[in-house]
Amino acid sequence: AQRVTQPEKLLSVFKGAPVELKCNYSYSGSPELFWYVQYSRQRLQLLLRHISRESIKGFTADLNKGETSFHLKKPFAQEEDSAMYYCALSPYNNNDMRFGAGTRLTVKP
Amino acid sequence: DAGVTQSPTHLIKTRGQHVTLRCSPISGHKSVSWYQQVLGQGPQFIFQYYEKEERGRGNFPDRFSARQFPNYSSELNVNALLLGDSALYLCASSLAGGGGPQFFGPGTRLTVL
Repeated sequence: AQRVTQPEKLLSVFKGAPVELKCNYSYSGSPELFWYVQYSRQRLQLLLRHISRESIKGFTADLNKGETSFHLKKPFAQEEDSAMYYCALSPYNNNDMRFGAGTRLTVKP
Repeated sequence: DAGVTQSPTHLIKTRGQHVTLRCSPISGHKSVSWYQQVLGQGPQFIFQYYEKEERGRGNFPDRFSARQFPNYSSELNVNALLLGDSALYLCASSLAGGGGPQFFGPGTRLTVL
């Protein structure tokens, strides 16, 4: 069975500090991993997907198959990064997407 | 493009009633997925439809059903509502049925009294 775990419900950092949102998964096959973000009063939107290997809004995420992790990182957090972040997994070639419980990131001035 | 749209935005029902939620995907997207999001949790997968056929189903009872129309819009139906069905119901569309990013609508907030 596929499962996504985000161990931190809440994370608070100061502006300019590095931030890392943790995501661990369990899946026996080849997964696609995603990070979705939900800003206040906005809909859930895609931030990153692992196969794109790109940086969006300064965020990066590396898929570590050995540790089954897909942590989201940003070297210098900004106040506008405050939001709810969800890690999600879907089997390759399948839309059955499983989400973690989410981490609420607060960036303090 | 307005993105994925859902209607209604809010809905209040009583136990035992039936509800229909609607979703219009992004133009050109042929796949629609439905999710239930209970407060404090991430979205939980209910159904996926692609080209009007059910392609996936999550761990939900038979009271939940859905369909997709020729224009790729979709309906989610829930019968015999329970208090525990109170949640935000999200619709997401994607280009095809086989993986890739999904684009979410604003959701329908269902309250069962």
